[in-house]
Amino acid sequence: KAGVTQTPRYLIKTRGQQVTLSCSPISGHRSVSWYQQTPGQGLQFLFEYFSETQRNKGNFPGRFSGRQFSNSRSEMNVSTLELGDSALYLCASSPDQRIQYFGAGTRLSVL
Amino acid sequence: GENVEQHPSTLSVQEGDSAVIKCTYSDSASNYFPWYKQELGKRPQLIIDIRSNVGEKKDQRIAVTLNKTAKHFSLHITETQPEDSAVYFCAASRAGGSYIPTFGRGTSLIVHP
Repeated sequence: KAGVTQTPRYLIKTRGQQVTLSCSPISGHRSVSWYQQTPGQGLQFLFEYFSETQRNKGNFPGRFSGRQFSNSRSEMNVSTLELGDSALYLCASSPDQRIQYFGAGTRLSVL
Repeated sequence: GENVEQHPSTLSVQEGDSAVIKCTYSDSASNYFPWYKQELGKRPQLIIDIRSNVGEKKDQRIAVTLNKTAKHFSLHITETQPEDSAVYFCAASRAGGSYIPTFGRGTSLIVHP
């Protein structure tokens, strides 16, 4: 099976812009979660989607949003980018929520 | 919600030594504890996990122990090798239901040859 695929791998944006990240889960996995990884903060949970519905949400501002399509692919959107949004954004899919299969991530730099 | 504390944040050992990483959790309902390894520039990958009905689990050079009463669990790596150098994350979750893992902040393990 193909692994979790995230695109693009790298992004450079300026403050105030918005960005959309994409994630294709492992075939058959209906749960897709997004995490923000920054040095010293570990993996901070953003949200989880299951069957096109947001099932869980972390403590991030409303500028961070997402959606899931009927084929389980997911997108994450960040509006009005801030310098502090610079991070590695990881997507993970799971057949049962417990084991997270991570993608390689999208490295976002906000200038 | 669940809170997972992980220590130390950095661990430096000589090749062949043992390494121990400790995590504590706050939610007594958590019953599934995975460990992930993230090598530099790569994605986190599950290396071992343990359920709350088991006190210890081993897989070659790595082992995980769980103390439900104290709400802490540990990762033990014996005979460390340079390829063990990575960031290790512990996590806690409930098996089943709408409850995804809460991760610790990670431990950077450096194994010196």
